[in-house]
Parts: sequence; C-alpha cells; structure tokens
Amino acid sequence: AQSVSQHNHHVILSEAASLELGCNYSYGGTVNLFWYVQYPGQHLQLLLKYFSGDPLVKGIKGFEAEFIKSKFSFNLRKPSVQWSDTAEYFCAVNAKGNNRLAFGKGNQVVVIP
Amino acid sequence: GAGVSQSPSNKVTEKGKDVELRCDPISGHTALYWYRQSLGQGLEFLIYFQGNSAPDKSGLPSDRFSAERTGGSVSTLTIQRTQQEDSAVYLCASSQHDGLSYNEQFFGPGTRLTVL
Repeated sequence: AQSVSQHNHHVILSEAASLELGCNYSYGGTVNLFWYVQYPGQHLQLLLKYFSGDPLVKGIKGFEAEFIKSKFSFNLRKPSVQWSDTAEYFCAVNAKGNNRLAFGKGNQVVVIP
Repeated sequence: GAGVSQSPSNKVTEKGKDVELRCDPISGHTALYWYRQSLGQGLEFLIYFQGNSAPDKSGLPSDRFSAERTGGSVSTLTIQRTQQEDSAVYLCASSQHDGLSYNEQFFGPGTRLTVL
C-alpha cells in the first residue's frame, strides 16, 4: 500500500516569504501525485497534479511542485506567499489504475500579514 | 451543477448509538469515495464505489462501519455502536470514471462527527 509523509506540520511565515512543503511517498510502482488545499471553512480542493511528462508542474495561485522520482518526492513551492495562502495543504498519491488516494497528514500553513 | 453535498454538517451522538451520514455526489459522477479525517491525521480512505461494481471496502476500520450507494447516486455511511475514536470529519468525494485514467476527485464539505 502507498504511504505519504509530510514534515513540519505547522509552518508560520510572513507575507512575501518563500514556501516549500516536503512530500515523500513510498510505493514501488507508477503513481499519480497531487497537492490538495483546504482554506479555512472551505472544501478540500485540488491545487495541482502530476501524471506524467514534465516533472515540474504548475498549479493555481502561483504554486508549483517538482516530482523527483529517484527521491520519491513531490515537494510544493511558492516563491512569495500571501496572507490568503493560509490553509492546510495535503499531499496525496494514488497508484496507476487505483483510484483511491493515500494522503499525508497535512501541513498547516499560517501566513502573517 | 452543484458540488458534492453532505448531511448533516455536524452530528453529536452518544457512545453506542448508530449514526448515518449522507453524501450526494455531483450529478453524472459514477465514482464515489468516503474518507475520514481525524484530528492531527491526514485523510484516511474508507470505501470506494464505482458504478455497479462491487465496492472497494478495504479501508473500513471495523465491521461497525458499512456503506451503501443506492441507484448509483446517493451514498450512506453507517457507523454502528459508535465509539469515541470514531469522532472525526467524514468526507465524501466523487469523480467521473472512464476506466482508462484517473479523474479528479471533488470533495464535499464533510460531516463532523462527535461521539460523547
């Protein structure tokens, strides 16, 4: 079964700072990779995804993530955060051909104005 | 159309009681998923329905948990003889499914279950 690790559960940073959230997964086969975001009081929504091709993927709101197969990682980045990026961020994985998602425990990010 | 809806939004129950949680998927979505989000934990897969196929129940934590999907649309998650460790947010998601590729899962707002 797949498992997903996210570190630094609580992240506090100032506006304009850069953000990087780590995500590592364990699964030997081919995977699809995702970052979901949950803003306060809102539904979980997809931020970006990687299926194949260019390992650097761009998502909404200036977020990007890089898939490094050799490191089993899919780290999320944003060069300059805004107060509105305060949210919880979840990394998720599913094995090709299996629709169930395995989620990490999430990163609670607080951006201070 | 409308997104995934869930009811109730909040449920408080006493230990030992049974509860039913409801999910209305996006119209036309053939795949439906239940996940559980406990405090400090990520989302934990519970069960997956796809069309008329037998559901994937491999994530259900115990035989107190069951789910059904009627008419390929609405789903009900039932927890019998609730325990305090069942307290969590129960999330439902739905997606299209063409059998060939992964399709984005759209999540509902969740039901917050508190077992006293």
